[in-house]
Amino acid sequence: SYVLTQPPSVSVAPGQTARITCGGNKIGSKSVHWYQQKPGQAPVVVVYDDSDRPSGIPERFSGSNSGNTATLTISRVEAGDEADYCCQVWDTGSDHWVFGGGTKLTVL
Amino acid sequence: QITLKESGPTLVKPTQTLTLTCTFSGFSLSTNGVGVGWIRQPPGKALEWLALIYWDDDKRYSPSLKSRLTITKDTSKNQVVLTMTNMNPVDTATYYCAHSPPRKRLFDYWGQGTLVTVSS
Repeated sequence: SYVLTQPPSVSVAPGQTARITCGGNKIGSKSVHWYQQKPGQAPVVVVYDDSDRPSGIPERFSGSNSGNTATLTISRVEAGDEADYCCQVWDTGSDHWVFGGGTKLTVL
Repeated sequence: QITLKESGPTLVKPTQTLTLTCTFSGFSLSTNGVGVGWIRQPPGKALEWLALIYWDDDKRYSPSLKSRLTITKDTSKNQVVLTMTNMNPVDTATYYCAHSPPRKRLFDYWGQGTLVTVSS
């Protein structure tokens, strides 16, 4: 089955740029979606189809996807961005949904 | 607007069968391409996709849990039901249902989740 690998944690100072990676075999050929999850809350989509943003999500959130790595980039990080971030793809071959292990973003 | 809400027992005993209901509004599960999925999250751990049912009653299951899961829908009641047999303490988790839009394999609207504890 398809596996997505994320770093357990990323730390960044306010105002800096955070980059969270999601690794998978030829992930560049798949559409990657990113979710933000704050404690006690359900996940929220922050980026879909590699780099699109739902309405209401700040432009500070962006995404890219190539080769074996997809990346969620958060520019000008704010304290309110502190959360868990998880990537997700649909594995075409098996018609299954796959989530990454999640990355905890800490704002220093 | 689209809303979903999970309901079911908060505590089940080992070996019992769990039945969860997702009641939704703001969309129809008879609309071409729409799906409703179930995802769970053990305390402090990652999200895990469990199952999804499409508008045409096509169903998909996590390969690791397929033998224990059944997903059904009642379009007239706007409900999706997930059953999981032979519950084990490792199945303790928050269970979410979520909406999957047409032509996009993601979950754009989620319920609030329901915590299910498996303990004797």
